[in-house]
Amino acid sequence: EAQVTQNPRYLITVTGKKLTVTCSQNMNHEYMSWYRQDPGLGLRQIYYSMNVEVTDKGDVPEGYKVSRKEKRNFPLILESPSPNQTSLYFCASSFGRKTDTQYFGPGTRLTVL
Amino acid sequence: DQQVKQNSPSLSVQEGRISILNCDYTNSMFDYFLWYKKYPAEGPTFLISISSIKDKNEDGRFTVFLNKSAKHLSLHIVPSQPGDSAVYFCAASEGGNTPLVFGKGTRLSVIA
Repeated sequence: EAQVTQNPRYLITVTGKKLTVTCSQNMNHEYMSWYRQDPGLGLRQIYYSMNVEVTDKGDVPEGYKVSRKEKRNFPLILESPSPNQTSLYFCASSFGRKTDTQYFGPGTRLTVL
Repeated sequence: DQQVKQNSPSLSVQEGRISILNCDYTNSMFDYFLWYKKYPAEGPTFLISISSIKDKNEDGRFTVFLNKSAKHLSLHIVPSQPGDSAVYFCAASEGGNTPLVFGKGTRLSVIA
């Protein structure tokens, strides 16, 4: 089954404790990205990757890091989480950026205390 | 500055009637537009798209209209069904490596 998986689905952590949210897709997609969804703000892109070892900033990259060492994986790293990073995070992938079908993962709800 | 605007946070429609969700944009470089649907506890799923060279695209009960001069697009759902109740996001894209830009979403409730 074609899918994008994210782990964990729910996470409560404390300020400053490094964490990683994993994202994996099994569709051999070149393009992957991370979004955060906040009430009243919709979906905002954090980082994206056009291919292996190629990443670039989206609209709200501050406080986040990503890596793309393999085509299927695109982890999101929060080196020192802060309460304003409490949000719902989505990973997405597609063959190309403007392709019709951008597949989204189920989301990770992160709470930073 | 918000480049993609969905000014109606919510919309209620009776089952069987038409649902019209609106989206306005400010960036004249956008050339591709998409609608996504999102149910609670799930990621958004692609619904329908339209290129700027067209003014209408239809897929079953869903039709997207694009008015480039007004920088406005709309999604029509006919007839509306209770299963259409979800949050709908409008998104836009321009050429190059720029990010896909999403609106804030409109919550559609279809009442049986």
